[in-house]
Amino acid sequence: GEDVEQSLFLSVREGDSSVINCTYTDSSSTYLYWYKQEPGAGLQLLTYIFSNMDMKQDQRLTVLLNKKDKHLSLRIADTQTGDSAIYFCAERKPGGYQKVTFGTGTKLQVIP
Amino acid sequence: DAGVTQSPTHLIKTRGQQVTLRCSPISGHKSVSWYQQVLGQGPQFIFQYYEKEERGRGNFPDRFSARQFPNYSSELNVNALLLGDSALYLCASTRRVADTDTQYFGPGTRLTVL
Repeated sequence: GEDVEQSLFLSVREGDSSVINCTYTDSSSTYLYWYKQEPGAGLQLLTYIFSNMDMKQDQRLTVLLNKKDKHLSLRIADTQTGDSAIYFCAERKPGGYQKVTFGTGTKLQVIP
Repeated sequence: DAGVTQSPTHLIKTRGQQVTLRCSPISGHKSVSWYQQVLGQGPQFIFQYYEKEERGRGNFPDRFSARQFPNYSSELNVNALLLGDSALYLCASTRRVADTDTQYFGPGTRLTVL
């Protein structure tokens, strides 16, 4: 497909793990990103992964990449109420400039 | 260091008017990109500028234009505003235009067209 796809909504209980999934479009994409957006705010870069990696861990965040299926996931361990936000995955296609294509976002609701 | 800054934070215009949005990149960053985020959607790429030159353009009409100044700050101009131009306009900066850089976003300018 032409779009970066994400499920629209995820609800988890505080302390549980959250897994947000994404399907991207271009197997030649060089970088894949996860951004967080809180209400009324801009985008915060959470983490990114190079396309030649399968996994990246950064504190409570784990990114898994399946290039064959063009599937990206973000796992948040020990989810906190402060993690409630919209999470966007994004892909950067090869080329001489920074055009990044974003998904539609997954709204994560953390229930206390 | 200060992050990416944008001004104004909010703006209300009427159809047919013109608007100019401003962005200052992180110190040392030479590239600025602009994105439009309509409510409920992900950001969409509009432009990238590097060293005052346009390096990339998204699928937006010619009513949208931008420029970058010698200090690497940037302006986005939108002419003949339409209701559908109402959105959050995000600016992002990177050190270079090359593949290894990631983008850092400003807080955005919320444009409402009435």
